[in-house]
Amino acid sequence: SAVISQKPSRDICQRGTSLTIQCQVDSQVTMMFWYRQQPGQSLTLIATANQGSEATYESGFVIDKFPISRPNLTFSTLTVSNMSPEDSSIYLCSQSGTAYNEQFFGPGTRLTVL
Amino acid sequence: AQSVAQPEDQVNVAEGNPLTVKCTYSVSGNPYLFWYVQYPNRGLQFLLKYITGDNLVKGSYGFEAEFNKSQTSFHLKKPSALVSDSALYFCAVRYNAGNMLTFGGGTRLMVKP
Repeated sequence: SAVISQKPSRDICQRGTSLTIQCQVDSQVTMMFWYRQQPGQSLTLIATANQGSEATYESGFVIDKFPISRPNLTFSTLTVSNMSPEDSSIYLCSQSGTAYNEQFFGPGTRLTVL
Repeated sequence: AQSVAQPEDQVNVAEGNPLTVKCTYSVSGNPYLFWYVQYPNRGLQFLLKYITGDNLVKGSYGFEAEFNKSQTSFHLKKPSALVSDSALYFCAVRYNAGNMLTFGGGTRLMVKP
C-alpha cells in the first residue's frame, strides 16, 4: 500500500487567517485528491490536483478559497484561506488509483477555526 | 451521476455475532465498489473492493462483501464481530474508467462486549 503523510496533523487557527496543508506521497502519481470531512459527516471531494495543470474543483469549492499547488508528482498543498469556524473539518489528501485500484488516504489534518 | 447510499447511521452488534453494514449504489455503467474503515483520529484504511469476477470478495481483518447486481448492493459482512471493529465504515463507488471516488454517508459500527 502507499504511504501518504500530511502536515500538520492538527491545528487551531484564528478566524480570517490561512493555513497551508502539505501532502507527500511515496510514489509518483498523476492525480492527487483533496477531501473535506466535516464533523460527523462523510468525505466530500474538494478538488483534483493534476501535476502541471490547474486543479479541478468540485461544485461548491473555488480556487480563491482553496488554492492548490502540485509542483511535482509526489507533493501537493491545499490552502484554506480566510478561514471561518465553518471551515473546521478534517482535510484528507489521497493519491489516485486507476479505475481498478483503491485510493490511499493520508492520515488527515484536523483543523479547528476559532 | 454516481452515488452510493448507506441507509444506517449506526449498527450495534454484540461481540462474536455476525455483522452486516449495508451499501447500495446507483446504476450507471459498471461500478467499482470499495469499503473503507476510519478509526478515531485516523485516516481512511482500505478494506476491500469489487471490480469484476466473483461476487463475494474478501478483504482485510476478516471482512467480506457481496456484490449483488440485481439489488445494486454491496453489503459488508463479518462472521464474528470484535470490539476492535468498532469504527466508522464508508462505502465508495467509482464508475468505469473515471477516477473520482464518491462516498456514502458512513455507518458507525459499535461492537459491545
